[in-house]
This record gives sequence, structure tokens and C-alpha cells, in this order.
Amino acid sequence: DQQVKQNSPSLSVQEGRISILNCDYTNSMFDYFLWYKKYPAEGPTFLISISSIKDKNEDGRFTVFLNKSAKHLSLHIVPSQPGDSAVYFCAASVAGTASKLTFGTGTRLQVTL
Amino acid sequence: DAGVTQSPTHLIKTRGQHVTLRCSPISGHKSVSWYQQVLGQGPQFIFQYYEKEERGRGNFPDRFSARQFPNYSSELNVNALLLGDSALYLCASSLGGPSSYEQYFGPGTRLTVT
Repeated sequence: DQQVKQNSPSLSVQEGRISILNCDYTNSMFDYFLWYKKYPAEGPTFLISISSIKDKNEDGRFTVFLNKSAKHLSLHIVPSQPGDSAVYFCAASVAGTASKLTFGTGTRLQVTL
Repeated sequence: DAGVTQSPTHLIKTRGQHVTLRCSPISGHKSVSWYQQVLGQGPQFIFQYYEKEERGRGNFPDRFSARQFPNYSSELNVNALLLGDSALYLCASSLGGPSSYEQYFGPGTRLTVT
């Protein structure tokens, strides 16, 4: 039972353009959502997060949008840079169980010159 | 400041053997969580330890166990290894507590079971 889904295994975007990574979830108990970035041979690195009481959170080039009614969130990267090429994981947590993250399967982003 | 460290980096074991993986959290972090990442999948939660007590357990068999030491470092033990246990094992640390969502991951231990 995949409670967090990333339906696009890969995405290719030109440098300078917007990258949009999508994530859907099924568990209505999730109340906190996070995005992690992973380079080969490294552990996931925290990128940005959003609480279920918000619908948008921005940090520099990264913005996360949450649509609770659709159980959907997205990560926007503007402008995309070659160093953004990595695997991006969406993760979710239920209130009171902060350290138990449920991850999606990841989307591999490639930013081309 | 040092990040989360894990040892060993790589490990090859034979079916039926036992393995111990080690993790040192970021200084000041009291919570350690363990995840298993199989190729092509996202990390899957195994255990969380906070203040040396188990605070959460994922859907893994009893062959998997863990503990946390007084210095907040942690060990993950897997008995009677199966081929399907081959994966990247990730350790993550956080300050701890029910609202401590942001976790910091180590580079992982790549376990291969032959």
C-alpha cells in the first residue's frame, strides 16, 4: 500500500526553466510534508517542508505547494540549475510521529544545459 | 560540525549470517531513526529511538532489532540474513520529540547479501 506516490520516475528540464515535481498521498492523517534531495552515494538532504495548515512555503528558488483537498503537493524549482540534478523524494508524517517518515519512490530530475 | 556518520560504508554477508550497522547522530540530537532503501524505492522506516527508548517501529520482521546508547549513537542488528535484505540502510538523526520533523541523514551502509 503506497501511501505516498510520485508517479513521474524522471523529469528533464532545461537550465533556467521551472522544474515541477509532483507528489500524491492517500493517508488523510498526514499533517507534515517534506522534500528531500539525494545525490548518488549520499544520504537524502532535507530541502523544504510544509505543514498541513499552510498551502505554500517558499525558500529561495524552492517553493512547495499543498492542496489538501486533492491530497497533492508539488515542488517548484525556479530557475533550475545543473546542480539541481538529483533524485527528489517526497515524504510525509502523521502528527505525533515526526520521525516516522513515509517516502515516495522518488523522481530523478535532470537539468540540461 | 560533523553530520550523521555511519559505519561500515559497504558490507557483504552470506545468507543466514548476522550483521550490525552503526550510526552516530549529529551532536545534540537525541533521536535516531533507521530506514531501509531498496533499489528503485524510497526509504522505508524501520525504527526510531529517542532518549534510548524505542518510540516507533515499521513493518519489519523480528529479525531486525536496534538499540541506542547513552551517547545517543545507535546500532541496527539484522539476524538470519536473507537475499531480500540487500539494501542501503540509512540512519537519520533529529532533535527528537513529536514535532521534530526535519531529519538529517547519514550516507548509509550498503549491505549486499549473497
